[in-house]
Amino acid sequence: ETGVTQTPRHLVMGMTNKKSLKCEQHLGHNAMYWYKQSAKKPLELMFVYNFKEQTENNSVPSRFSPECPNSSHLFLHLHTLQPEDSALYLCASSQWTSGGRGAGELFFGEGSRLTVL
Amino acid sequence: GENVEQHPSTLSVQEGDSAVIKCTYSDSASNYFPWYKQELGKGPQLIIDIRSNVGEKKDQRIAVTLNKTAKHFSLHITETQPEDSAVYFCAASIRVGGGADGLTFGKGTHLIIQP
Repeated sequence: ETGVTQTPRHLVMGMTNKKSLKCEQHLGHNAMYWYKQSAKKPLELMFVYNFKEQTENNSVPSRFSPECPNSSHLFLHLHTLQPEDSALYLCASSQWTSGGRGAGELFFGEGSRLTVL
Repeated sequence: GENVEQHPSTLSVQEGDSAVIKCTYSDSASNYFPWYKQELGKGPQLIIDIRSNVGEKKDQRIAVTLNKTAKHFSLHITETQPEDSAVYFCAASIRVGGGADGLTFGKGTHLIIQP
């Protein structure tokens, strides 16, 4: 496998369910990201993990819980979601470098389409 | 925080004509400006990027210009082809803490190439 792989591609869940989204990158990158993509809105940065350490929680509700066990894997645990959380959740990775060049190119997975009933 | 505005939201051009998409940003500290293309059912993919020390960059039919003083940057696609039809996003770098950078995206432009 190459690139960034996300599973599942589609998920339907009730508001009381607990589910997880999984992301795996095969690019040897050291930074991983969760973005939320809703209709008519910009891509919203949710979480950033840099060298496995969470460096950003962009005011995301606690019903979203990220986990990054190593630099290749990233999870998004979901519980007691609301219908407005229905969206495409995109995982991305990049090779972050110091010295001002920062994140560089983001490589996105194809996303997990979440529907909350 | 950084705010990125993108226009137009929809752009329809005849095949072979040029397309221009414009973005403005608010944070003068931003120094990296990529453009992503997203096709139906796929994640965004980088097509071209520019850093703040450069005013223009070109890659075949695609070019990006940056005006740091005015805080705006533009994507230019010449000789458009049907496969250029997609949603295009501009983005600007933001410092997110711990020394890492993230990206703030515009709302996207749906480019339609008419045959």
